[in-house]
Amino acid sequence: SQQGEEDPQALSIQEGENATMNCSYKTSINNLQWYRQNSGRGLVHLILIRSNEREKHSGRLRVTLDTSKKSSSLLITASRAADTASYFCATRPFSSGSARQLTFGSGTQLTVLP
Amino acid sequence: ETGVTQSPTHLIKTRGQQVTLRCSSQSGHNTVSWYQQALGQGPQFIFQYYREEENGRGNFPPRFSGLQFPNYSSELNVNALELDDSALYLCASSLGGGQLAGELFFGEGSRLTVL
Repeated sequence: SQQGEEDPQALSIQEGENATMNCSYKTSINNLQWYRQNSGRGLVHLILIRSNEREKHSGRLRVTLDTSKKSSSLLITASRAADTASYFCATRPFSSGSARQLTFGSGTQLTVLP
Repeated sequence: ETGVTQSPTHLIKTRGQQVTLRCSSQSGHNTVSWYQQALGQGPQFIFQYYREEENGRGNFPPRFSGLQFPNYSSELNVNALELDDSALYLCASSLGGGQLAGELFFGEGSRLTVL
């Protein structure tokens, strides 16, 4: 079953604009990760934020985490056509028994128009 | 490039057949996990191997089985294929099979079609 749910399911923006994707999850987590997937290919890790962190930056990416609301957001600034892809949040649960697996959401399809 | 390679990239099978998918993990990584991704969905965890032993399993039936070899490469075997097994199968390697494991490094996947 999917723990995370991304919102929106699809997002279309113009090059140069910012893109914001949201993720909600259900159980306590150890960390939350964002991945990117170009059509039909493997996933690429973008950024990891731990449960005791509130914000993290990496280049044009900014991730926030609100554990009280069980939600996270991914902001891509100054988007480029090459950012077109599906973006997934993935959570690693806090429970020791299930800490080995990542649980992925259903993804946001981002299209950046040139 | 993640250094994780999977084979074959595409294959077609018929219902009831068996399939073996292979994965070579990134150098130095001792943990391999397998995910199934249906079209338009996020990846679903199948199982994980750490130092040649399965140490975590998702909600998949026993006809999904795996192996990890001493060089940390891995196989996913699926018996008695069903139409719903059609999906992209992703292998991911990482360091450490324990509770604080971080990011995963994914291969490009094996696209299985069951007719």
